[in-house]
Amino acid sequence: AQSVTQPDIHITVSEGASLELRCNYSYGATPYLFWYVQSPGQGLQLLLKYFSGDTLVQGIKGFEAEFKRSQSSFNLRKPSVHWSDAAEYFCAVVPFTSGTYKYIFGTGTRLKVLA
Amino acid sequence: EAQVTQNPRYLITVTGKKLTVTCSQNMNHEYMSWYRQDPGLGLRQIYYSMNVEVTDKGDVPEGYKVSRKEKRNFPLILESPSPNQTSLYFCASSPKQGNNSPLHFGNGTRLTVT
Repeated sequence: AQSVTQPDIHITVSEGASLELRCNYSYGATPYLFWYVQSPGQGLQLLLKYFSGDTLVQGIKGFEAEFKRSQSSFNLRKPSVHWSDAAEYFCAVVPFTSGTYKYIFGTGTRLKVLA
Repeated sequence: EAQVTQNPRYLITVTGKKLTVTCSQNMNHEYMSWYRQDPGLGLRQIYYSMNVEVTDKGDVPEGYKVSRKEKRNFPLILESPSPNQTSLYFCASSPKQGNNSPLHFGNGTRLTVT
């Protein structure tokens, strides 16, 4: 079955430190890949997406993600974290051949930023 | 402003008392969907709609109903709520442009069933 794994439930980093959030998917082909961020009391907001082409994609708020086919991964990175980045982050995939618009979400990683 | 609007934001009810959570989008999106978010489980799809009068079950449809009589509205109905439906609910929409369209989310409805 198709699945998305975010192995880190919680991550704590200091402000100014670099960040990497992991995402692995289980699917036979390359799906469409997304990262969303959820700030407290808010809905999910799209950070970035990957469909094809350059495997390093840039998103909003200084985030980037790299698609690695060999590892079935789509990890999210940021060189220098700001206190306002504290939120929950969700990786999501849509299988390429899906005719039912099926988003599959990971369980999320909650980021805490220390001042 | 382009947005997905859910109401209410917070709802406390008792077991068995029918309720409706409304969802409306002003972006002329064809696709709409409901999710519930529970700790450790991420977002799970309840129902979705590809267009007016077209709805289908997601992963966790039991105990829920939906309707899509108009393009902009997609209400979620709990005919007889139970405590295991206590959760955070999100409505989302997307234009029907293939599988690469991102979802636009509402701000959520926190439901407590006692």
